Amino acid sequence: DTGVSQNPRHKITKRGQNVTFRCDPISEHNRLYWYRQTLGQGPEFLTYFQNEAQLEKSRLLSDRFSAERPKGSFSTLEIQRTEQGDSAMYLCASSSTGRETQYFGPGTRLLVL
Amino acid sequence: AQKVTQAQTEISVVEKEDVTLDCVYETRDTTYYLFWYKQPPSGELVFLIRRNSFDEQNEISGRYSWNFQKSTSSFNFTITASQVVDSAVYFCALSGGKLIFGQGTTLQVKP
Repeated sequence: DTGVSQNPRHKITKRGQNVTFRCDPISEHNRLYWYRQTLGQGPEFLTYFQNEAQLEKSRLLSDRFSAERPKGSFSTLEIQRTEQGDSAMYLCASSSTGRETQYFGPGTRLLVL
Repeated sequence: AQKVTQAQTEISVVEKEDVTLDCVYETRDTTYYLFWYKQPPSGELVFLIRRNSFDEQNEISGRYSWNFQKSTSSFNFTITASQVVDSAVYFCALSGGKLIFGQGTTLQVKP
């Protein structure tokens, strides 16, 4: 049983650049979540998809952030014009409707210089 | 508003000691789920247990046990006979869809 995978695992970028992260959920899961975790804090919810529909977005998700899940399978999270405050671990999780447990990927650690 | 509080920031124990991690939650929902996740130094969140609001039966799984008390809005986690491999950050989380996490408790088990 393949778990949630995320790529890349690490990303270093310069302020002002755009970055894109990918998440591949567990194959039979129709729900996909993005979270952000900064040092010493618990993960914070960013957004959630059910199949290809983006059903909820956090206020943390500024206009520079966009997420897609075009075919209801993998998802991408893009950050435009990165800022140093965007440095964090970006976590993806997936689950099935009716089963509340979310399973997490290894995360993408972003450092904005 | 939903909120999870883990008052213990860091706990340090010596191997084989028992340790309890505290979690207190707030929610107005009548149906909700509570979770514990473990985050080892590698960074990946590992699911440990889920409880729904209708199931107050406490559970023991090997060295792990959980105490859910709806009357005090608490969902505490105990590790019996701790081991060095238990060293990690432990998160309690509340779900009504998305997960609301506590700040985490860093557990250090010394040999």
